[in-house]
Amino acid sequence: AQSVTQPDARVTVSEGASLQLRCKYSYSATPYLFWYVQYPRQGLQLLLKYYSGDPVVQGVNSFEAEFSKSNSSFHLQKASVHWSDSAVYFCALSMHYNQGKLIFGQGTKLSIKP
Amino acid sequence: NSKVIQTPRYLVKGQGQKAKMRCIPEKGHPVVFWYQQNKNNEFKFLINFQNQEVLQQIDMTEKRFSAECPSNSPCSLEIQSSEAGDSALYLCASSREDTGQLYFGEGSKLTVL
Repeated sequence: AQSVTQPDARVTVSEGASLQLRCKYSYSATPYLFWYVQYPRQGLQLLLKYYSGDPVVQGVNSFEAEFSKSNSSFHLQKASVHWSDSAVYFCALSMHYNQGKLIFGQGTKLSIKP
Repeated sequence: NSKVIQTPRYLVKGQGQKAKMRCIPEKGHPVVFWYQQNKNNEFKFLINFQNQEVLQQIDMTEKRFSAECPSNSPCSLEIQSSEAGDSALYLCASSREDTGQLYFGEGSKLTVL
């Protein structure tokens, strides 16, 4: 069965530091992968998506992610975090190019230290 | 700011009461999804529509859940007889037919006492 795992429930980094949020997926074919962010009391906002091609994808607010088929991973990165990046981040997988039904990871809560 | 409008933002119901949530998808988006997000951040796909037709749905929890997307009216998700385990954030999302990128609303948070 398809699944998405985010191994880190919580991550704390200092403002200005670099960030990596980990995501591993399980799916036998080529997945369509997404990172979403959820701020308190809000819905989900798409940060970036991977469909095919260049394994490094750029997203909003200077986020990027790298797809690795060999590692079944799609880690999210940012070179320098800001306090406003504090939120819960979800990795998601779809088996169809038009997203269709999404399979979500458990989320990683990011806290930024001043 | 989300262009998918969900109402109400919060609703509180007693066990056995009916709970109804509405969603206005973004203009020009014929595809609509409903997801349930519980307090442990576990997402459950409930149902999706294209125009007014159901594409996929789960076994709607002993038929207590129903949903529709009538033409020229908001989509809706209704729980006939709420249970404590239904307490969650209900997210509506819409997309164009071609790209399929989902745009989420801010959700309706249901608390069942």
